[in-house]
Amino acid sequence: EIVLTQSPGTLSLSPGERATLSCRPSQSVASSFLAWYQQKPGQAPRLLIYDGSTRATGIPDRFSGSGSGTDFTLTISRLEPEDFAVYYCHQYGSPLWTFGLGTKVEIK
Amino acid sequence: EVQLMESGGDLVQPGGSLRLSCAASGFPFSNYWMHWVRQVPGKGLERVANIKQDGREKYYVDSVKGRFTISRDNAKKSLFLEMNSLRVDDTGVYFCARGLSTSRFSPGAFWGQGTLVTVSS
Repeated sequence: EIVLTQSPGTLSLSPGERATLSCRPSQSVASSFLAWYQQKPGQAPRLLIYDGSTRATGIPDRFSGSGSGTDFTLTISRLEPEDFAVYYCHQYGSPLWTFGLGTKVEIK
Repeated sequence: EVQLMESGGDLVQPGGSLRLSCAASGFPFSNYWMHWVRQVPGKGLERVANIKQDGREKYYVDSVKGRFTISRDNAKKSLFLEMNSLRVDDTGVYFCARGLSTSRFSPGAFWGQGTLVTVSS
């Protein structure tokens, strides 16, 4: 099973600032089968990025994903008030899906 | 519009059983892998089980093997999770999810609203 380590655990930033979130798989993720989700309290996860860097339908271009192998990054270029939430990375390179423990982006 | 609606969550004692259901609509259900993912309130996400389009391949997280059974009824566009010998650490919100594409290598793109399972004496 691939373990996904996310850092930092919490990111305290102000609206308009840039957020950089890290996800490091314990082994290389095949073909960049890595996704990022946003989750707000009481809601289901929302797919933001898949295949490492492809934005899902309707996702603003301030969200971008990069990386490969064992080092992936989600960047939010300029935080909007609605972006303060928990973000999870997720690998789907096998039916044995795994998720990171999440990074909480909170208002400073 | 893709819709997934879970039901069946409840308060149950340790050692008890529950059957969760997920009703799908708005897409050709039989074409997609389907997944159950759970979340302990305030904690992260954990895949519980998933099932191939024809039901012939099933995968489980180690902690539920031998206790949970995933199944599907393509004619009724429904996904199920039979949960036996429930433990306190099975408590959480259970989501059903569908992949973005019909490939087995596809992230969860559509999720239900979740159903709460509470295991407590």
